[in-house]
Amino acid sequence: GAGVSQSPSNKVTEKGKDVELRCDPISGHTALYWYRQSLGQGLEFLIYFQGNSAPDKSGLPSDRFSAERTGGSVSTLTIQRTQQEDSAVYLCASSLVPVVRGGTGGLNEQFFGPGTRLTVL
Amino acid sequence: GQQVMQIPQYQHVQEGEDFTTYCNSSTTLSNIQWYKQRPGGHPVFLIQLVKSGEVKKQKRLTFQFGEAKKNSSLHITATQTTDVGTYFCAGPERDDKIIFGKGTRLHILP
Repeated sequence: GAGVSQSPSNKVTEKGKDVELRCDPISGHTALYWYRQSLGQGLEFLIYFQGNSAPDKSGLPSDRFSAERTGGSVSTLTIQRTQQEDSAVYLCASSLVPVVRGGTGGLNEQFFGPGTRLTVL
Repeated sequence: GQQVMQIPQYQHVQEGEDFTTYCNSSTTLSNIQWYKQRPGGHPVFLIQLVKSGEVKKQKRLTFQFGEAKKNSSLHITATQTTDVGTYFCAGPERDDKIIFGKGTRLHILP
């Protein structure tokens, strides 16, 4: 596709239910990032994938959060037993190479998806 | 852990006035990126700075990376209504984590 896509765009769920959020990165992008953005706030880093592996999962807010990436492409972020404080916009981004590698030409530019707005009642 | 502070949090300017947002990291950054998020939208990449003391310009926008690679600034000359939004800086921590500043929300008064 032309850009990063995320689904669903909106999700309303009841407290205690599990939710699964999906991200389709730009084809060929090796790096994939998940962020959480509460209303009017900055971006909270959750997790980063290089290929299918996530070197560090310590950014996930709690053990109710998990993420996986298969085939070096699609990623899913799962939140179990949702709580009201989980309500936020969950943003996914991908880049051709990891941000840390710097370099010129913007190869590590992050392209963001439109996000999934999660509301936990 | 690493912290990235961004000031001011909010800025109201008259259309035509200049605007500056500052980004300060507690540690040296290998590179720094700037993003703009329009109201209701998602962040969009503006630029990346890599070299110590680097200055880059994009039309009315001027980006600077400090000599110590711990601070950066974005300056907009003669703001326009299209500049409305939140400007974020972001830098990598270690090899696997990206730290975003909390952003500066720019409001333009007509």
